[in-house]
This record gives sequence, structure tokens and C-alpha cells, in this order.
Amino acid sequence: DIVMTQSPDSLAVSLGERATINCKSSQSVLYSSNNKNYLAWYQQKPGQPPKLLIYWASTRESGVPDRFSGSGSGTDFTLTISSLQTEDVAVYYCQHYYGSQWTFGQGTKVEIK
Amino acid sequence: EVQLVESGGGLIQPGGSLRLSCAASGFTISSNYMSWVRQAPGKGLEWVSAIYNSGNTYYADSVKGRFTISRDNSKNTLYLQMNSLRAEDTAVYYCARDSMMGYWGQGTLVTVSS
Repeated sequence: DIVMTQSPDSLAVSLGERATINCKSSQSVLYSSNNKNYLAWYQQKPGQPPKLLIYWASTRESGVPDRFSGSGSGTDFTLTISSLQTEDVAVYYCQHYYGSQWTFGQGTKVEIK
Repeated sequence: EVQLVESGGGLIQPGGSLRLSCAASGFTISSNYMSWVRQAPGKGLEWVSAIYNSGNTYYADSVKGRFTISRDNSKNTLYLQMNSLRAEDTAVYYCARDSMMGYWGQGTLVTVSS
């Protein structure tokens, strides 16, 4: 199984400042035949199902604010919130969908400082 | 409009069985990858199982041999048959569409306890 490890487990950022979450996979999730990274990011608020933010590591889902961006390739990925807003307080998860067993990272809790 | 509605959760004793359903509307489940994802109370997300549009099925090691994913194309409904339930299976179970899960249901709570 591919293990997804996020860092940090939690972070507190001032309103309007940048938040950066890292995700590392135990093996590459880059599929060489199509040069796509099989990596997604989700946001989950209390009492709600997760919401897809980013897929293919860097493609923003329709309707997601452009302050959210994804980057990285192979085994190392980053979700960046360029200017943190109150409504961004949530837990964020990365997930790989490479192969036949998919896994999530353990989650990163983002709070306002 | 795409909608996913889970049902079938509840309180079950260890060793028991339960079948979850996920009724889909706004799209055809047989044309998409469909998954079950669970979340234990206060914990993170855990992928449980997937069924591809081809009908191939896949499972997390933690449920392999105990859970079975299936679908009824005529009812446009996804199922998760859960047998030999354990306390650690206690969670909210979500169904989701596609490998990058753009659509989720609201979840159904399964509690395994004596």
C-alpha cells in the first residue's frame, strides 16, 4: 500500500497570510504513460462530508477559489492557501488514487492564529 | 443534479452483519468509479472499497474478506455488505463518485457495540 504522510498535523495562520500543507507518498503516484500525478486534496468542515479542492495534483475543482493551489510531482506535494480566510478553517486531506488501493493522509487541521 | 444518499447504518453487535446502500441520482453509477470511505469518530478518512465501471472491485486490507461492494444498475444503487463486524468498524460511511471524489453523500453512521 502507498502510505500518505501529511505535515504538519495542525497549523495556525493569521487571516490573510499563507498556509502551506505538505503531503508525501511512500512511492511515486506519477503515472508515466500519461504524465499525471494521481493526487487529490480535500477540505472537510465539522459535520460535513469532504469537498474536493484539487485533483491531478494541481487542477482546481470547479467553483474552488483561486487562493487554493496544488503543486508537486512524484512523491512530494503541497496545498497552498495564499490568503487564509475565516471560511478556510477546516481539516485538509490529501489522497492518492494510483493503482487499486487508494489511501488518504492523516489530515491537517488549519486554524486562525 | 448529482446526488448520493446513504442509508442502512445503525447499531450492530460485534460479529454481526449490515448492508449499506447509496442511492444515486443525476448520473449512472455503472459509468463511474464508485467508492466507500469511512471516518471513525474524531478520526481521519479511510478509503474502504471501490467498484470500477468495469465491475472490478477493490478493498482496503482492513476489510478484505469481510466487506463486499456491489451495485444494482437497475436501481442505480451502490451497496456495501459488511460481515463479521468489529468495534473498529464503527464510523460514518460515505459513498463517493470517481477516483478523485468530487461527489459525496452525507454519510450513514455504523456503530458496532455490545
